[in-house]
Amino acid sequence: AQSVTQLGSHVSVSEGALVLLRCNYSSSVPPYLFWYVQYPNQGLQLLLKYTTGATLVKGINGFEAEFKKSETSFHLTKPSAHMSDAAEYFCAVSDYGSSNTGKLIFGQGTTLQVKP
Amino acid sequence: DTEVTQTPKHLVMGMTNKKSLKCEQHMGHRAMYWYKQKAKKPPELMFVYSYEKLSINESVPSRFSPECPNSSLLNLHLHALQPEDSALYLCASSQDRGALHFGNGTRLTVT
Repeated sequence: AQSVTQLGSHVSVSEGALVLLRCNYSSSVPPYLFWYVQYPNQGLQLLLKYTTGATLVKGINGFEAEFKKSETSFHLTKPSAHMSDAAEYFCAVSDYGSSNTGKLIFGQGTTLQVKP
Repeated sequence: DTEVTQTPKHLVMGMTNKKSLKCEQHMGHRAMYWYKQKAKKPPELMFVYSYEKLSINESVPSRFSPECPNSSLLNLHLHALQPEDSALYLCASSQDRGALHFGNGTRLTVT
C-alpha cells in the first residue's frame, strides 16, 4: 500500500526566505509523485510531478522538488517566498504500478504562511 | 482559468431536496473523478469513471449518485443528504496516469 506523510501541518516563512515543505512517501513500486497547491475557495492546481527520469523537477511559480529514492522523500522548495505563495500544499502519490486505478493518495497538507 | 468547469459554485439544499452537480472538461481526458473535501483536510476520492464506465466507488452512500453522460461530462446527483455531507465537491480529470486536473469545486451546504 502507498502512503504519504507531510511533515509539519503549518509552515511560516518571511517574504523572500526559502520555502521548504517536506514530503515522505511509502510505495512498493516506483512512485509517481505530485505536489498540488490550493488557494482559498479554489480547487487544486498541479505544481509539479515526478514520474521517471530527472530527479529534480521544476514546476510552476518557481517551485521545484527533488525525488530522493534512498530517503523516500519528495520535498518542495522555492528559493524566495512571495506573499502570493500563502496557500495549502498537498503532496500525493499515484497508485500507478500497483492498483493502477489513477487514484491519488494525498498527504494531510501543509499550510504555508508568508509574513511580510 | 481552470480547464475543468464545475457548476454551480455554491449550493444550499435542504435534506429533502434533489440537486445535481455538474462537471465538464474539454481536454479529451478519459478518466473523471469526484472528490469530497472537508475544511483543512485532503480531498477524499468518491468515484472514478474510466472511458465513461464507473470503475471505482469508494463505498459512497447511495444518496450520492454519479453519472457520466459522455466523455466530457460528469454529474453527481444528490438526494436526501445529511448536514455532515456539507463540503467542497471537486471534479477532476486525467489522461496520463496520476496527473489530475481539478475544477474549482462546488461548495455544498446541507441545511
